[in-house]
Amino acid sequence: NAGVTQTPKFRILKIGQSMTLQCTQDMNHNYMYWYRQDPGMGLKLIYYSVGAGITDKGEVPNGYNVSRSTTEDFPLRLELAAPSQTSVYFCASRRQAAREKLFFGSGTQLSVL
Amino acid sequence: EDQVTQSPEALRLQEGESSSLNCSYTVSGLRGLFWYRQDPGKGPEFLFTLYSAGEEKEKERLKATLTKKESFLHITAPKPEDSATYLCAVQATRDDKIIFGKGTRLHILP
Repeated sequence: NAGVTQTPKFRILKIGQSMTLQCTQDMNHNYMYWYRQDPGMGLKLIYYSVGAGITDKGEVPNGYNVSRSTTEDFPLRLELAAPSQTSVYFCASRRQAAREKLFFGSGTQLSVL
Repeated sequence: EDQVTQSPEALRLQEGESSSLNCSYTVSGLRGLFWYRQDPGKGPEFLFTLYSAGEEKEKERLKATLTKKESFLHITAPKPEDSATYLCAVQATRDDKIIFGKGTRLHILP
């Protein structure tokens, strides 16, 4: 069982470059989330989605965009990378019912230099 | 605004020395409080869900409890393999956001 798969695992960007972090899940979960984790810190919610075609902002959405065209995929787009976006990015998914646990991917470590 | 505050930030214990981690929360209507464990370089893994004041859940050496304002993760006779970062998260009744605290880094010395 693959679960939640994130690609790439590591990436170095130059300031001003753009990239897309990929996230796909094979559990048929409607709900998907993107978090960032800075060193020694907890997880900050960037965007989330409750189903295909529906997305909403989290705590720190500035500088990011998302789309949800299928149940399986929830890509995160960085348009103009800045050093402040250096972080580890985690994608997670869960079932629709209340209080369901999150399943996390293994993360993407991004450095913007 | 929903808030989750965890304390202490870091904790070092000797093997077998029991202790508790705290998670204080402010949310307008609690749908659920979650505890996760995170090992270095990995994504968080689910431990417990609590949603009713007075509720308790146990798993091996861990026990989670919930009041109206905070949750505790009690660790009894810990072993070095319990070393990890423990994260607390809350979900409010009004939306589907899940907000995390900064975590407690636990280190168990052999």
